[in-house]
Amino acid sequence: QKEVEQNSGPLSVPEGAIASLNCTYSDRGSQSFFWYRQYSGKSPELIMFIYSNGDKEDGRFTAQLNKASQYVSLLIRDSQPSDSATYLCAVNPNYGNNRLAFGKGNQVVVIP
Amino acid sequence: DGGITQSPKYLFRKEGQNVTLSCEQNLNHDAMYWYRQDPGQGLRLIYYSQIVNDFQKGDIAEGYSVSREKKESFPLTVTSAQKNPTAFYLCASSMTSGHYNEQFFGPGTRLTVL
Repeated sequence: QKEVEQNSGPLSVPEGAIASLNCTYSDRGSQSFFWYRQYSGKSPELIMFIYSNGDKEDGRFTAQLNKASQYVSLLIRDSQPSDSATYLCAVNPNYGNNRLAFGKGNQVVVIP
Repeated sequence: DGGITQSPKYLFRKEGQNVTLSCEQNLNHDAMYWYRQDPGQGLRLIYYSQIVNDFQKGDIAEGYSVSREKKESFPLTVTSAQKNPTAFYLCASSMTSGHYNEQFFGPGTRLTVL
């Protein structure tokens, strides 16, 4: 089983709708969870991080963490064309260091 | 301006050549990382360093080498032993003193083998 899985294919959402991305992880001892946004040809940009079970909101972004079910999700409300990008889920497994394990990413396309 | 810089932005290498990618940060971060990204793939860790003069292999270290002589700098050498080096190379840094340490990325170097 891969450490971090993002299984959904490209996600197309109409402008103004909610985009929902999911990520599962294998190491039950994982402590911290991150969402990065990567525009085509650019480097990843950290947009959200979450450490505790529940929801964390920052502007139009909400991260949701469920450690019992080992998944973390990202909701993008009122999606804008500028949200069109690949979103990478990253997890800090319980290795005793700061290494992150990354999923392959989910592409989001917001249709005007 | 605090941040991470990588140079060059684009690099072309002939077969059999070693090339060195530069990564510098002025964020006073202890840890630095090198990742490789191939089209449609996630990030794969090449090497990381949590302290000056010490570094560890990541998941795909073969054909690469690094040094960490200064806190601010973590250069990556792609050697001729790396058989498929064409990729997007990303450097990142983070603190190590906190309980949760977010990684921040530089702009990347795109390496192409001719």
